[in-house]
Amino acid sequence: GEDVEQSLFLSVREGDSSVINCTYTDSSSTYLYWYKQEPGAGLQLLTYIFSNMDMKQDQRLTVLLNKKDKHLSLRIADTQTGDSAIYFCADVKAAGNKLTFGGGTRVLVKP
Amino acid sequence: NAGVTQTPKFQVLKTGQSMTLQCAQDMNHEYMSWYRQDPGMGLRLIHYSVGAGITDQGEVPNGYNVSRSTTEDFPLRLLSAAPSQTSVYFCASRRGGANVLTFGAGSRLTVL
Repeated sequence: GEDVEQSLFLSVREGDSSVINCTYTDSSSTYLYWYKQEPGAGLQLLTYIFSNMDMKQDQRLTVLLNKKDKHLSLRIADTQTGDSAIYFCADVKAAGNKLTFGGGTRVLVKP
Repeated sequence: NAGVTQTPKFQVLKTGQSMTLQCAQDMNHEYMSWYRQDPGMGLRLIHYSVGAGITDQGEVPNGYNVSRSTTEDFPLRLLSAAPSQTSVYFCASRRGGANVLTFGAGSRLTVL
């Protein structure tokens, strides 16, 4: 089957780094995404990585992809209270239009 | 540009009632889709469309109908609502060939 899995919850102190992990099962995934959902809002694309890359950095965000282990992570440096949200990883297959989402990780940033 | 607009934002239905969730986008995106979001289950694809006149089923299509008569609009119909359809519904769109979805703000549906 096509599964994308994430841990449910992460608590972090303001100013620390957050690392959100995701595993996926389908080796034909071409793009992998991180979306952020703030309370009462839709999903906002944070960043994505093509499957032939192993790292992508965008300001405070660092995405690491380990294709061998089918593991994706999102590191947020200097986490702020505004980073409190649910974070979803998702993948898209080589031949399809459909994204498969993980269950989401709720990140709580404590002052 | 308004992006992806969903209406209504909130709706309460009784079991057996019908309703339509509206989705419109003004970005000339070929691809449109509907997801439902349930706690701990992420987003699951209900139906999608790769262009006007073309629709296909996603992961959880039962109980839902869609149509795509124009590029801009992609309504989701519940013909006979059930409590299991209580959820938050998201519409999303993208350009053909692109891999980045733009999401609407969501529609929260409660079926009593």
